[in-house]
Amino acid sequence: GQNIDQPTEMTATEGAIVQINCTYQTSGFNGLFWYQQHAGEAPTFLSYNVLDGLEEKGRFSSFLSRSKGYSYLLLKELQMKDSASYLCAVSLISWGKLQFGAGTQVVVTP
Amino acid sequence: EPEVTQTPSHQVTQMGQEVILRCVPISNHLYFYWYRQILGQKVEFLVSFYNNEISEKSEIFDDQFSVERPDGSNFTLKIRSTKLEDSAMYFCASSAKQGHQPQHFGDGTRLSIL
Repeated sequence: GQNIDQPTEMTATEGAIVQINCTYQTSGFNGLFWYQQHAGEAPTFLSYNVLDGLEEKGRFSSFLSRSKGYSYLLLKELQMKDSASYLCAVSLISWGKLQFGAGTQVVVTP
Repeated sequence: EPEVTQTPSHQVTQMGQEVILRCVPISNHLYFYWYRQILGQKVEFLVSFYNNEISEKSEIFDDQFSVERPDGSNFTLKIRSTKLEDSAMYFCASSAKQGHQPQHFGDGTRLSIL
């Protein structure tokens, strides 16, 4: 079956770094996406990994290890506006549907 | 920046009634999706649509659900006879290419069934 696990909640201080881990067990893996979702709003795209390694995009970086079924999202220089839920989503070969994890609620404190 | 638009933002309907949720995907995108998110739960895939037909659907997408692209811009989700458990946020998404391009989500329609 399909399974995507990520921590429920993480708390960090403004200016700090937080790493959100995601492990997955899926069949037909076609890439891994990270989305940010503020309460009551739509998921917005942050990053995408299909090959092993690190992708850097400003304050956000994402890493993938396909052999380990593992990814992480790194948020640097945290700002208050980064308080949100971060969704790990696996893209499946069949027509690209996204299988989402339950999301990690990041709380940034002053 | 082009975006996916959804209407209405909030729909309140009596159980057993039909609802139609509307979406205008990004204009040059070819792949369209509907997802739903029950309050406090994860985002769940409902259906994907390509070349004017359903390419894949989940177990949630039963005979009460249908999708249509009636013209070159709109993409609709219809629920024929709504149930209480259909109450959720429904997101439309589109992408230029399946799999390797990000799906861009609309702001969602909050569906409340009474």
